Amino acid sequence: AQSVTQPDIHITVSEGASLELRCNYSYGATPYLFWYVQSPGQGLQLLLKYFSGDTLVQGIKGFEAEFKRSQSSFNLRKPSVHWSDAAEYFCAVVPNSGGYQKVTFGTGTKLQVIP
Amino acid sequence: DAGVIQSPRHEVTEMGQEVTLRCKPISGHNSLFWYRQTMMRGLELLIYFNNNVPIDDSGMPEDRFSAKMPNASFSTLKIQPSEPRDSAVYFCASSLPHSSYNEQFFGPGTRLTVL
Repeated sequence: AQSVTQPDIHITVSEGASLELRCNYSYGATPYLFWYVQSPGQGLQLLLKYFSGDTLVQGIKGFEAEFKRSQSSFNLRKPSVHWSDAAEYFCAVVPNSGGYQKVTFGTGTKLQVIP
Repeated sequence: DAGVIQSPRHEVTEMGQEVTLRCKPISGHNSLFWYRQTMMRGLELLIYFNNNVPIDDSGMPEDRFSAKMPNASFSTLKIQPSEPRDSAVYFCASSLPHSSYNEQFFGPGTRLTVL
């Protein structure tokens, strides 16, 4: 069955430290991949997306993600975390098979940033 | 642009009452999505409209739920009668003509509490 997994429910990092959030997917072919962020009391906002080409994609707010086909992963990274990055992060996938395809969201990783 | 607008932001009602949630998508977006977010089940797609026509309603929980999109600038999600297990945050999202790789823009959500 097709699925997307975010193994870390909650992560705490110190301000200024680096961050990596994990996302693994299980699909027959490489899907379209997204990372969204949800700040408290807000809707989701797109950080970045991957369709094809360069496996390292840059997004907003200083985030980047790397697609690794061999590991079926699309991990989100940031070199130096700011207190304002505290939020919940969702990985999402869509089958790359044309026409309408439903977006499947991961269960989310809640990021806490400590001073 | 004001983004996706949802109303009300918070709704508290008693079991058995009718609840109507409203959404105004971003102008020019002809794809609209209703999602439900709970701690237990995460983010679930309820229904997807394209050009005001429901395309995928496989996520609608049961007959108590109904959604309409009478025109390109307005959609409603109705629950009748409401039950405590319907308590959740309901998001509306819109996007450009649907393609799997188009970003979805989320509204701030409606937090529904059914007592």
